[in-house]
Amino acid sequence: QLQLQESGPGLVKPSETLSLTCTVSGGSISSTDYYWGWIRQPPGKGLEWIGNIYYSGSTHYNPSLKSRVTISVDTSKNQISLKLSSVTAADTAVYYCARHAYDGSTGYYFVFDYWGQGTLVTVSS
Amino acid sequence: QSVLTQPPSASGTPGQRVTISCSGSSSNIGGNYVYWYQQFPGTAPKLLIYRNNQRPSGVPDRFSGSKSGTSASLAISGLRSEDEADYYCATWDVSLRGVVFGGGTKLTVL
Repeated sequence: QLQLQESGPGLVKPSETLSLTCTVSGGSISSTDYYWGWIRQPPGKGLEWIGNIYYSGSTHYNPSLKSRVTISVDTSKNQISLKLSSVTAADTAVYYCARHAYDGSTGYYFVFDYWGQGTLVTVSS
Repeated sequence: QSVLTQPPSASGTPGQRVTISCSGSSSNIGGNYVYWYQQFPGTAPKLLIYRNNQRPSGVPDRFSGSKSGTSASLAISGLRSEDEADYYCATWDVSLRGVVFGGGTKLTVL
């Protein structure tokens, strides 16, 4: 059974960089059939796609976050990582790691068929 | 403000049929598949409908999806108390070059 587990600091200071890791078990992050990525949800609000990465390192980012986001992959550890720079209180959210399956029409991978449990990151001094 | 528009709330009584709408534009719903996610409080979303109207294994056939033009709908028939959750639509937006979500609809079973 595929499992995704997010980990990282739950509290980040304003202007600093948020860093999270997602460890995948029960499956290989080097699969040629999927991308892996991040989605976030501010408390009491809706979902926002952050971006994704292929095992080869190819990435796609939400244009609204692109200037601050870096997603990387470590196939030897079966992990992906998220870095979000210059954070503000608006970046406070539950951050989910998710497997991205192929849509079948657009050429993009954005069908979120497996999710981690999510981790709350609060931006506060 | 979300790119896709959903009603913030919906409700029904057990056994009823409820529909949740998702409105977009030609750059998103109009040209791409729509996906629906179900989320219970404190848990991660779950894929409920893919490619407009397909159900993943394990999703009851009480749940159905449809799309027409730049709008999509999720229908739940034979409403049950355990269907009380938040529902989100999503698709790709070719103009924004990214995934867009609806703001979510909170379904209450009265």
